[in-house]
Amino acid sequence: KQEVTQIPAALSVPEGENLVLNCSFTDSAIYNLQWFRQDPGKGLTSLLLIQSSQREQTSGRLNASLDKSSGRSTLYIAASQPGDSATYLCAVWGNTGKLIFGQGTTLQVKP
Amino acid sequence: GAGVSQSPSNKVTEKGKDVELRCDPISGHTALYWYRQSLGQGLEFLIYFQGNSAPDKSGLPSDRFSAERTGGSVSTLTIQRTQQEDSAVYLCASSISRASGANVLTFGAGSRLTVL
Repeated sequence: KQEVTQIPAALSVPEGENLVLNCSFTDSAIYNLQWFRQDPGKGLTSLLLIQSSQREQTSGRLNASLDKSSGRSTLYIAASQPGDSATYLCAVWGNTGKLIFGQGTTLQVKP
Repeated sequence: GAGVSQSPSNKVTEKGKDVELRCDPISGHTALYWYRQSLGQGLEFLIYFQGNSAPDKSGLPSDRFSAERTGGSVSTLTIQRTQQEDSAVYLCASSISRASGANVLTFGAGSRLTVL
């Protein structure tokens, strides 16, 4: 059974700091991995999708890496801003045909 | 509409009552998913519809939970005889096809259910 774990559960950083969010998964037989952002009271916004054959994806100040063999992914946020404050969720697609989510990392960026 | 629409956005009910939550997916999206997010938890898969195929109900936590999708579009999640542990945000998502590749899910804002 696929299990997804995210560390840390919560993170508070000053504005401008670079930071790394971690995600690990137990079954390396995945099709892809996605990072989502969730703002309070709102749905999920897809940030980055990494196919199983890829090592990383970049979008603006965000960079996500994937090491499928070790079951790990990281989301790197450069030059963090208060507007980055949200919960970040990692999810993997496996052969069950559904996304399996981690519990999320709640990020607070202080001005 | 442009996105996935869910209603109601908030629902407070008494223990033992039945509730219905509605999801209106993006037009043309054949796949529809229901997830549940309890306080401080990640998203828990509940049920998945793909076109006219039989739904994948493997995530439904008990027989009090059921869902249907009429005409391949709107879906309703029904919880009978609600319990306090059913309190959560229920999220719906849709995609163009069975998302085992590059397709991404578009999520609604969710329905927050509180069972007193």
